[in-house]
Amino acid sequence: EAQVTQNPRYLITVTGKKLTVTCSQNMNHEYMSWYRQDPGLGLRQIYYSMNVEVTDKGDVPEGYKVSRKEKRNFPLILESPSPNQTSLYFCASSAGAYYNEQFFGPGTRLTVL
Amino acid sequence: AQSVSQHNHHVILSEAASLELGCNYSYGGTVNLFWYVQYPGQHLQLLLKYFSGDPLVKGIKGFEAEFIKSKFSFNLRKPSVQWSDTAEYFCAVNGGNAGNMLTFGGGTRLMVKP
Repeated sequence: EAQVTQNPRYLITVTGKKLTVTCSQNMNHEYMSWYRQDPGLGLRQIYYSMNVEVTDKGDVPEGYKVSRKEKRNFPLILESPSPNQTSLYFCASSAGAYYNEQFFGPGTRLTVL
Repeated sequence: AQSVSQHNHHVILSEAASLELGCNYSYGGTVNLFWYVQYPGQHLQLLLKYFSGDPLVKGIKGFEAEFIKSKFSFNLRKPSVQWSDTAEYFCAVNGGNAGNMLTFGGGTRLMVKP
């Protein structure tokens, strides 16, 4: 089944404790992206990647890192999480950036205490 | 930067009522437009998209949207809603001065009363 998977689905952590949220897609998509969803603000793009070893900042990159060492994986790293990073995070992938539907993962609900 | 506005934050309708959700974007150049839906507890799914051609786009589940370039709008419509349409709806845009970045509106929560 074609899908985007994220792990973990739920995470409660404390300020300053490094964490990684994994994202993997099995559709051989070139384009991958991370969003955060906050009430009333919709989804805001954190980082995106056009292909392996190519990443770019989105709208709200501060406090986040990403890497794209393999085509299928695009982990999101929070080196020193803070409470304002409490949010619902979605990973997405598509065959290309412009003209293709983005397929979304199930989401990761992160709480930083 | 590109911005997308969805003016209706919450909409409550009875079954069989007609639906129109507004979406306006800020950039006047060539853009690609999308509507996504998020059913309760689920991830986002594409409803429809517009890249070029006929400005009236038909999507899944009886939804359609009309691109009006002069108004920078891409409103979503459905002639007769069902209880199962209860969800949050997001308009999104890429292209223009935002380049590859997909910019979402703030979302509209639709509740359909049976």
